[in-house]
Amino acid sequence: GAVVSQHPSWVICKSGTSVKIECRSLDFQATTMFWYRQFPKQSLMLMATSNEGSKATYEQGVEKDKFLINHASLTLSTLTVTSAHPEDSSFYICSGTPNTGELFFGEGSRLTVL
Amino acid sequence: QKEVEQNSGPLSVPEGAIASLNCTYSDRVSQSFFWYRQYSGKSPELIMSIYSNGDKEDGRFTAQLNKASQYVSLLIRDSQPSDSATYLCAVSENTGNQFYFGTGTSLTVIP
Repeated sequence: GAVVSQHPSWVICKSGTSVKIECRSLDFQATTMFWYRQFPKQSLMLMATSNEGSKATYEQGVEKDKFLINHASLTLSTLTVTSAHPEDSSFYICSGTPNTGELFFGEGSRLTVL
Repeated sequence: QKEVEQNSGPLSVPEGAIASLNCTYSDRVSQSFFWYRQYSGKSPELIMSIYSNGDKEDGRFTAQLNKASQYVSLLIRDSQPSDSATYLCAVSENTGNQFYFGTGTSLTVIP
């Protein structure tokens, strides 16, 4: 299968600071990438669809000014959590789809906001 | 609103038994169907894709698709404790632009 890499795997930050998470497709070009959030023992929640070279499409209820998504190249999408607060603590997972139509996930990034 | 439904479980089976996981979906235009395995604290991992009616086998895993009844299932033969995880069903309209996930079924294989 295709490989999607996320960095960092773990991040701890103070309340009010911003955190950037990188998502790279290592062996395919991803015109579209998806960002999910998952709270403990809950299901995946799609946050936004990231489109290369254009603005991301956010799901209802997701603040686009708080969760900044940039997809500047076909292999890199970034999610920046701005002015993070403890309620933003979660598991953030990106994913991409090569031409096979299958969706492959990165390893996930666990954010803890103190 | 496209819906993908799964029993949340937990489903418990003894080691060596067959685990049967089911999923129904609401959108008849769905064309691609996927099963993911998610271990606790990890991200989902694709284990099976199925696109046509019938069965598709890969090792101990068999995916079954019935588009007329709008359900897809996953059978795990000779279940092992390492199969204990949450299994997510996902559907797509084949454009690769939207995927819809179920809430997952928690499986525990008892040694």
